[in-house]
Amino acid sequence: NAGVTQTPKFQVLKTGQSMTLQCAQDMNHEYMSWYRQDPGMGLRLIHYSVGAGITDQGEVPNGYNVSRSTTEDFPLRLLSAAPSQTSVYFCASSYDGQGGSPLHFGNGTRLTVT
Amino acid sequence: SQQGEEDPQALSIQEGENATMNCSYKTSINNLQWYRQNSGRGLVHLILIRSNEREKHSGRLRVTLDTSKKSSSLLITASRAADTASYFCATDPPLKAAGNKLTFGGGTRVLVKP
Repeated sequence: NAGVTQTPKFQVLKTGQSMTLQCAQDMNHEYMSWYRQDPGMGLRLIHYSVGAGITDQGEVPNGYNVSRSTTEDFPLRLLSAAPSQTSVYFCASSYDGQGGSPLHFGNGTRLTVT
Repeated sequence: SQQGEEDPQALSIQEGENATMNCSYKTSINNLQWYRQNSGRGLVHLILIRSNEREKHSGRLRVTLDTSKKSSSLLITASRAADTASYFCATDPPLKAAGNKLTFGGGTRVLVKP
């Protein structure tokens, strides 16, 4: 039972490069989301999806794109990496998009932008 | 912006002692959840308490919620070295808008010394 799988685990980018962080879940969860975690800042919501074909912005969406073509996958795209995007990125899913549904997290992607 | 603020930021105790951490939040909520994060891993859901509940137990965990003070506490009894982790509170907004948009605090780092 894999749960939420994120790849890669580590990535180093140069400023201006683009890349896609992958996230897949095998629990048939409707809701998926991306958070970034910075020291002392807790986790901040980047984008989320309440089902295939539906996405919306969170608290800090600038510089990131998402799409949800299947229930299982929710990739996060960095369009033109900036040093301010150096962070640990977590994908999380829950059974539905209703409040009170516990989130299941992947183990994160640690991104460094130089 | 952070909805929840944990206190203390760090806590060091001996194995067998109890650990208490607090979370304060700013706006009304439907639910409050506590998560644990081990170093280098994703967050793991521990317990959820609804706004109409005052106390909840799960194994060695006890959570209280005081909506009049907009605060919650997490008590870990008879701590073990394996409880060493960061602990986060997370709240969801009171309005039933789309999305399980949890807002996380900055976390409490707990070190349990053997």
